[in-house]
Amino acid sequence: DAKTTQPNSMESNEEEPVHLPCNHSTISGTDYIHWYRQLPSQGPEYVIHGLTSNVNNRMASLAIAEDRKSSTLILHRATLRDAAVYYCIPKGSNYKLTFGKGTLLTVNP
Amino acid sequence: DSGVTQTPKHLITATGQRVTLRCSPRSGDLSVYWYQQSLDQGLQFLIQYYNGEERAKGNILERFSAQQFPDLHSELNLSSLELGDSALYFCASSAGGQFQETQYFGPGTRLLVL
Repeated sequence: DAKTTQPNSMESNEEEPVHLPCNHSTISGTDYIHWYRQLPSQGPEYVIHGLTSNVNNRMASLAIAEDRKSSTLILHRATLRDAAVYYCIPKGSNYKLTFGKGTLLTVNP
Repeated sequence: DSGVTQTPKHLITATGQRVTLRCSPRSGDLSVYWYQQSLDQGLQFLIQYYNGEERAKGNILERFSAQQFPDLHSELNLSSLELGDSALYFCASSAGGQFQETQYFGPGTRLLVL
């Protein structure tokens, strides 16, 4: 599995955009990049995933660098409910999710 | 609510004992995954079942075993429990076992071994 590097923590203000970076320089050409988040006292929750092109869904956007060695999860308007640990997970031809330490996002009111 | 249910929510037991954790996947999902989350190891994949058959195995101890029943619910059995087995145990499910499909996680079972 490709190794990932994410900031330990980030802070944001409510209703402002948040950009959560992830470095995955050892990613293989067929690995997708998945993002999950874990709210306090809950199980992980799927956010978004992509391969090469930027992706959007109702929760977030995923911007993937052209060389695919990094990606950025974008929350367009952070809310208090977005406070969570965010995990960036390169995923190849296997079934498991390999979680790193993730980024703890704090959202200030 | 992910649609995945886990019971019990909390479990307190003693070293050397055996416990069973139960998971019901989302309606229609054929794959079930078990993960362990501890303070020192983080979230780790234990094992996956697909339609009753073991499909993938992670860092699951020999003292731990799992199975998936014909109705697709799954059980994780932990035996000869040690203090270090205290952790959150999550079950997840997905539709059909494709590599990139979304996994939906349950609320977890918190196990405390005294």
